[in-house]
Amino acid sequence: NAGVTQTPKFRVLKTGQSMTLLCAQDMNHEYMYWYRQDPGMGLRLIHYSVGEGTTAKGEVPDGYNVSRLKKQNFLLGLESAAPSQTSVYFCASSYISEQYFGPGTRLTVT
Amino acid sequence: AQKVTQAQTEISVVEKEDVTLDCVYETRDTTYYLFWYKQPPSGELVFLIRRNSFDEQNEISGRYSWNFQKSTSSFNFTITASQVVDSAVYFCALSAPIYNQGGKLIFGQGTELSVKP
Repeated sequence: NAGVTQTPKFRVLKTGQSMTLLCAQDMNHEYMYWYRQDPGMGLRLIHYSVGEGTTAKGEVPDGYNVSRLKKQNFLLGLESAAPSQTSVYFCASSYISEQYFGPGTRLTVT
Repeated sequence: AQKVTQAQTEISVVEKEDVTLDCVYETRDTTYYLFWYKQPPSGELVFLIRRNSFDEQNEISGRYSWNFQKSTSSFNFTITASQVVDSAVYFCALSAPIYNQGGKLIFGQGTELSVKP
């Protein structure tokens, strides 16, 4: 039982490049989330999903897109990376009220 | 609007001291959950406790204890006899019920605790 996993763990992008972050969970949770954490701040919600095939915007959605084609996977895409998207990205999944977090992806955009 | 405030940005103590981390929250929901997470230098988020809005009983787990007071909208966290391994950033978070925006978590800014030997 791996819980929540994230791929990759680290990535460096140049401005304008695109990439996709993958989150996978094996707990059969309906709800999944993408957060970003910036220095000196708590996590902020980017997008979330309440089930397969559904997504919704969170607090800071601009510059990101998401997809939930399979229940166990939640993808976060950056179409044209900007330095302001340098951050640590956390994925989480939830069943009732407790969110289980992945280990994080550290993304640097130069 | 929902908000979590952790007024203490950094706290430094000497090992074996007791330390309390403050958390004040704002919400209009009558049903909500409060959480504490620990983020050690390695970066992962470690779940410490969840408390629902109808349960104001204080909780103790080893050297950790939590004091939830709805009257003051506070959910404070105390570490007794602190140890160097307690050094980390601690986050307080508030969630709405799962049917409200997916039960998203609203995090405070975090309190960085440094325990010196």
